[in-house]
Amino acid sequence: GENVEQHPSTLSVQEGDSAVIKCTYSDSASNYFPWYKQELGKRPQLIIDIRSNVGEKKDQRIAVTLNKTAKHFSLHITETQPEDSAVYFCAAILDNYGQNFVFGPGTRLSVLP
Amino acid sequence: DSGVTQTPKHLITATGQRVTLRCSPRSGDLSVYWYQQSLDQGLQFLIQYYNGEERAKGNILERFSAQQFPDLHSELNLSSLELGDSALYFCASSADGAGGDEQYFGPGTRLTVT
Repeated sequence: GENVEQHPSTLSVQEGDSAVIKCTYSDSASNYFPWYKQELGKRPQLIIDIRSNVGEKKDQRIAVTLNKTAKHFSLHITETQPEDSAVYFCAAILDNYGQNFVFGPGTRLSVLP
Repeated sequence: DSGVTQTPKHLITATGQRVTLRCSPRSGDLSVYWYQQSLDQGLQFLIQYYNGEERAKGNILERFSAQQFPDLHSELNLSSLELGDSALYFCASSADGAGGDEQYFGPGTRLTVT
């Protein structure tokens, strides 16, 4: 089955700097890669996603890149702000009636003012 | 507010007991997913239902079972509870069952087994 690794497990950056979180997956059939943000004590919320037919997607300060050959994808946050502090989860999903719903272990991002 | 509701918010029970967690999906969503999140852990996918039918199964223990009713709400039943079952249980819903669309998470039910 699918296995998703995520690095780093914790990340501290200064406000205004960039943050990068990387995930690798094992099942080449996975074709949908969402990123969820979970603030302390709250529910996970989708922040950006990418499908396997796209190499990069950007939404304001957030971008995701996908390398299908290497089976890894990354989340990039630019101009970080204190409200970006949260746990970020990546996931690898087979968009074919739910055969894979595997989330990475999470990255705890702290943005220091 | 995602539109997904879960009850109860908190549940404290003893080992060996059985509990039922309830989830109501967003209006119009046909698919419901259940996840377990233990302390400082990631999200472990348990099971998915689509329009009343089981669609996908993850790492769900045999002591756990779920169903989705005709009104699309879902229940997760946990029996013969053990201390290790203490966790935050999330329900999520999405419009269809294919897996490739956004999942909207509920606020979660925190289960404590003593």
